[in-house]
Amino acid sequence: GIQVEQSPPDLILQEGANSTLRCNFSDSVNNLQWFHQNPWGQLINLFYIPSGTKQNGRLSATTVATERYSLLYISSSQTTDSGVYFCAVVFYNQGGKLIFGQGTELSVKP
Amino acid sequence: NAGVTQTPKFQVLKTGQSMTLQCAQDMNHEYMSWYRQDPGMGLRLIHYSVGAGITDQGEVPNGYNVSRSTTEDFPLRLLSAAPSQTSVYFCASSYRGRETQYFGPGTRLLVL
Repeated sequence: GIQVEQSPPDLILQEGANSTLRCNFSDSVNNLQWFHQNPWGQLINLFYIPSGTKQNGRLSATTVATERYSLLYISSSQTTDSGVYFCAVVFYNQGGKLIFGQGTELSVKP
Repeated sequence: NAGVTQTPKFQVLKTGQSMTLQCAQDMNHEYMSWYRQDPGMGLRLIHYSVGAGITDQGEVPNGYNVSRSTTEDFPLRLLSAAPSQTSVYFCASSYRGRETQYFGPGTRLLVL
């Protein structure tokens, strides 16, 4: 089956720093979604991005489907950005099935 | 809109007991699904539904049953709980599986 790999597994930042999280996938997919799981366990949608670049405030994402990877950029990080970031690839022919990566755990220190 | 709601938030079961995890959405989404999240791992698909009366298995369906009698509700049944089913369970929905999926707050289940 398809493999979804995220890097780095852990990241510690000082408040105000920038970071790039990477998601590699081993086969063609219909779409890709980024989530933030906050320290209370809630999964928050960030981006739904099959290709190209999208931006939302301090966050942006780029997916290069032909090269099978996606990047999540966090600029001017804040302590509220802490948590686990997941990417998940999407398969339309299975009810929109998501295959998740293992996540990147981000800790932003004040 | 309340979005995707799940009950209960937390449950403790003994091995062999049965229970139903509830999931409801008020967004008129056709697609609903159940995932489980184990420590240090991403989520894995248990079962999904593409509309009322239609369900199918995901990656880890053993030990779980589902049914979908209405568009709004998609309950997950544990027939005979086992310690390996200790996990956090998330319900998700989307309009037709080709759009952003929205997740509920999760149910933490502990099986002793």
